[in-house]
Amino acid sequence: QVQLKESGPGLVQPSETLSLTCTVSGFSLTSYSVSWVRQPSGKGPEWMGRMWYDGDTAYNSALKSRLSISRDTSKNQVFLKMNSLQTDDTGTYYCTRYYDGTYLHWGQGVMVTVSS
Amino acid sequence: DTVLTQSPALAVSPGERVTISCRASESVSTRMHWYQQKPGQQPKLLIYGASNLESGVPARFSGSGSGTDFTLTIDPVEANDTATYFCQQSWNDPNTFGAGTKLELK
Repeated sequence: QVQLKESGPGLVQPSETLSLTCTVSGFSLTSYSVSWVRQPSGKGPEWMGRMWYDGDTAYNSALKSRLSISRDTSKNQVFLKMNSLQTDDTGTYYCTRYYDGTYLHWGQGVMVTVSS
Repeated sequence: DTVLTQSPALAVSPGERVTISCRASESVSTRMHWYQQKPGQQPKLLIYGASNLESGVPARFSGSGSGTDFTLTIDPVEANDTATYFCQQSWNDPNTFGAGTKLELK
């Protein structure tokens, strides 16, 4: 079945870089697109960016200058790197499979705290 | 960006009918989708394309609307429907989500 799983550090220092990995199974990254979505505690989700099935990328303009998404299809992994983290980047980060405008399959999420 | 506005909270009794609204700052055609999120869990897709029920979702859930005004209806509400409900649009870039409506059972 379709599965996505995020991994990465739970604590990041202010001004440093966040690196997260999304490992997928049950589908091919060359057939489906994967998005990163984050959610501050008690707030609505925010779309961050997307790795399209063809290898192209799309980013939320609010984050574009700090964000990079890449992939390794041989390992079934999608990567997120975001620099210059601040306290308002604290939240739960999800990877999710994108299809026809919707997000049906989600990882369990990884909680990221930005704090010194 | 398209802003989606939802009422923050609702409280209903089991067995009642509840409508949760979502208003978009600009037209999103029928590219509105609804999610349910329980504490500590990831969002779960309930309705896509404004009115289409996702497979496996109980028929108690339904959606309607087009343009800027959308509604998620639960009829009848059950105790385990306690959750936060988010709308999400995919007509305009970037995809955006509402802030959520927290549904509580009396």
